[in-house]
Amino acid sequence: EPEVTQTPSHQVTQMGQEVILRCVPISNHLYFYWYRQILGQKVEFLVSFYNNEISEKSEIFDDQFSVERPDGSNFTLKIRSTKLEDSAMYFCASKRGNEQFFGPGTRLTVL
Amino acid sequence: KQEVTQIPAALSVPEGENLVLNCSFTDSAIYNLQWFRQDPGKGLTSLLLIQSSQREQTSGRLNASLDKSSGRSTLYIAASQPGDSATYLCAVNPPGGAGNNRKLIWGLGTSLAVNP
Repeated sequence: EPEVTQTPSHQVTQMGQEVILRCVPISNHLYFYWYRQILGQKVEFLVSFYNNEISEKSEIFDDQFSVERPDGSNFTLKIRSTKLEDSAMYFCASKRGNEQFFGPGTRLTVL
Repeated sequence: KQEVTQIPAALSVPEGENLVLNCSFTDSAIYNLQWFRQDPGKGLTSLLLIQSSQREQTSGRLNASLDKSSGRSTLYIAASQPGDSATYLCAVNPPGGAGNNRKLIWGLGTSLAVNP
């Protein structure tokens, strides 16, 4: 059964460094999302992406964040200058119909 | 602004018991609602999706109901097993958003422990 994959599973970085989180959505899906979950808190929407552009972004998704679908299969989230408060689990999701399917997540730890 | 609340925050039951998890949302104008399972430190597994026009969905021992007018959904787990131990999350698609590209708004989850 097709599934969403994410790499790496765990990323440790120093504050101020750039990180790129990678996702491979399900191949025939059209809508792509990033969410994050800070430990002990609710899952939060970051950004949605359709037809090669951002459809919607949350207040969290400021100028430090960007997304790309560089080659028709990968979907990446870049954080330009990480902060301590960016430490969280980051989930990628994709959708074709009504149901969103999620990857296993990348745990980002900012030291 | 849509808010999703899940009660109880934690639940511990003996194996074999039937149980109900509750989810409430403040804006009844939702597109659909999904229930997810999350194991500790792991990803989000979709369990059931209920469209706004539906009253319930079933998958194996799981049954989810939706009462949109009162802003409530329940997840019923029959004959619980230790393998059901996980956090169960409820998420709604709120109104608005661009076309079909709708985000999910999440509850904090119910942490379930099923004891052998």
